[in-house]
Amino acid sequence: GAVVSQHPSRVICKSGTSVKIECRSLDFQATTMFWYRQFPKQSLMLMATSNEGSKATYEQGVEKDKFLINHASLTLSTLTVTSAHPEDSSFYICSAPEGGLKEKLFFGSGTQLSVL
Amino acid sequence: QKEVEQDPGPLSVPEGAIVSLNCTYSNSAFQYFMWYRQYSRKGPELLMYTYSSGNKEDGRFTAQVDKSSKYISLFIRDSQPSDSATYLCAMRGLGDDKIIFGKGTRLHILP
Repeated sequence: GAVVSQHPSRVICKSGTSVKIECRSLDFQATTMFWYRQFPKQSLMLMATSNEGSKATYEQGVEKDKFLINHASLTLSTLTVTSAHPEDSSFYICSAPEGGLKEKLFFGSGTQLSVL
Repeated sequence: QKEVEQDPGPLSVPEGAIVSLNCTYSNSAFQYFMWYRQYSRKGPELLMYTYSSGNKEDGRFTAQVDKSSKYISLFIRDSQPSDSATYLCAMRGLGDDKIIFGKGTRLHILP
């Protein structure tokens, strides 16, 4: 299957700093990528849809100035958590649909963010 | 009523048993149905996807969709300890961009 690479896998930072998470589709192009947040024992919560060459689409309740998304190429999307606070601590996962088929989502390995 | 309901478990079964995992949903517009497996602190992995009703088999895994009952199932035959993970159902409607995920069922296969 398709491979989506996500880095870093784990990051610990101080409150007030910004953290960038990268998501790359390694063997296919993705005009769209999705960013999720997952709390322990909870399902995936869609945060935003990243669109190559245009602005991301954010879900209701997600602060776009807090979670900056850049989809600069057909294989790379980044999520920057700005001025992180302890409540932003979570597991963040990206995904991309192979061949544009939204039902065939391939996920990155996730990033565990811990804000002290 | 939530759009997708899934029993969180945990579900513990002995090795070699047949496992049945299920989800119910309320939106009759859903047409695509998926099952993902997620190991702890990892991203989900697509196991199966089906369109509309019917069965689909892939190795030890069988996915069933009953749209009349708004009920989907994943069966795992000859279960193995390596199958221990959280299984998430997911679905979307025709033309929808958003995929709705269940909360996941934690499965433990006991050696």
